[in-house]
Amino acid sequence: NAGVTQTPKFQVLKTGQSMTLQCAQDMNHEYMSWYRQDPGMGLRLIHYSVGAGITDQGEVPNGYNVSRSTTEDFPLRLLSAAPSQTSVYFCASSYWDSSDYGYTFGSGTRLTVV
Amino acid sequence: AQTVTQSQPEMSVQEAETVTLSCTYDTSESDYYLFWYKQPPSRQMILVIRQEAYKQQNATENRFSVNFQKAAKSFSLKISDSQLGDAAMYFCAYRRRTGANSKLTFGKGITLSVRP
Repeated sequence: NAGVTQTPKFQVLKTGQSMTLQCAQDMNHEYMSWYRQDPGMGLRLIHYSVGAGITDQGEVPNGYNVSRSTTEDFPLRLLSAAPSQTSVYFCASSYWDSSDYGYTFGSGTRLTVV
Repeated sequence: AQTVTQSQPEMSVQEAETVTLSCTYDTSESDYYLFWYKQPPSRQMILVIRQEAYKQQNATENRFSVNFQKAAKSFSLKISDSQLGDAAMYFCAYRRRTGANSKLTFGKGITLSVRP
């Protein structure tokens, strides 16, 4: 089925470890983004991309890297995990042209950094 | 920068009753979209309803309707005939219609509980 696929669904990391959260979509969406959700904070934008090779920072980019080598994939990298990065992470995608203005969300990744 | 404010962290409603969730936003744009998303315990983000700013008519989707007041920058969600399955966190969100900055900006969310 078409949609946004996020892996893994759960992850526990030790402080200082690195990992990559994977995000893939098969809808040919130009726009992809990563959000983190924390209690009482809503969803905050980490990084986003408007197409292959183009990325930009969102509201809370520190500690995270992204790249967009293909239209389909938009991985989020934590280079040295910190307890403050314990959160639920969502990947979302949409068409660039807002005439189709729907966002499609992945099912989320719950990350715990100990 | 656009901001979205949901000032009520929690609300409760009796099953079959009506409840209204409040949302205000701030923007200098004239052309944008507003959304309400539902997040049940499964964590999945589900689009409930959307409103285009250029449309004066309030959007309606079955038991869900909005009261969109553009001048007041207010966008409330009314849930009629509340059901147990409506219990969830609800997020109000804003998106500029076009351009490089057409990101989705969320409020902090409100937890709705439904009493049987």
